[in-house]
Amino acid sequence: QITLKESGPTLVKPTQTLTLTCTFSGFSLTTSGVGVGWIRQPPGKALQWLALIYWNEDKRYSPSMRTRLTITKGTSKNQVVLRMTDMDPVDTATYYCTHIRKAATTPLYYYYYMDVWGTGTTVTVSS
Amino acid sequence: SYVLTQPPSVSVAPGQTARITCGGNNIGSKSVHWFQQKPGQAPVLVVYGDSDRPSGIPERFSGSNSVNTATLTISRVEVGDEADYFCQVWDSSSDHLWVFGGGTKVTVL
Repeated sequence: QITLKESGPTLVKPTQTLTLTCTFSGFSLTTSGVGVGWIRQPPGKALQWLALIYWNEDKRYSPSMRTRLTITKGTSKNQVVLRMTDMDPVDTATYYCTHIRKAATTPLYYYYYMDVWGTGTTVTVSS
Repeated sequence: SYVLTQPPSVSVAPGQTARITCGGNNIGSKSVHWFQQKPGQAPVLVVYGDSDRPSGIPERFSGSNSVNTATLTISRVEVGDEADYFCQVWDSSSDHLWVFGGGTKVTVL
């Protein structure tokens, strides 16, 4: 059974750096086709993809957030860490991490999808 | 950047069929995934790869995708289906970007 859980501060001040940790079980981030992603959701608003890391260390970022984000594997082999710099009140949101799986419909065509989500952690940015 | 457009709300009576659309340029060439989110809860995958259902998702949930519109269909709607629904694509042609639609609130009358 795959599970993920987000952890980090619930309150940060403007201009500070936010560090969130995703601790997971039930899979290995060294398995081909696997990834871990981060998504956030401001109160009452839509989901926004932030970043992801694949099993092969390939990292991808949302273009609008690229300059502020860093995603890495944690010191523990079952963790992924997201850092977001220069926090602002508009960054107040619930932050989710997800398990990403690769599906191949034909030998040449494949896609990725997020099949399991953590419960989320709420971060408020306020002075 | 790629944009996915969903209607803000859909209302349906119990036992009827709800159809939620997700519009995007040539979305028919991409794989579309759908998530259900109830208040205070994390999203749950209900359809992936246009029309496949994860284990545990009722057959009442189905998906289709063609040309510029993907559709999530909920048959025999139940009160418990009331939730927000988000579509998502993985755009392999744009540096592996992930895009979400704005979400549709399904209200069961």
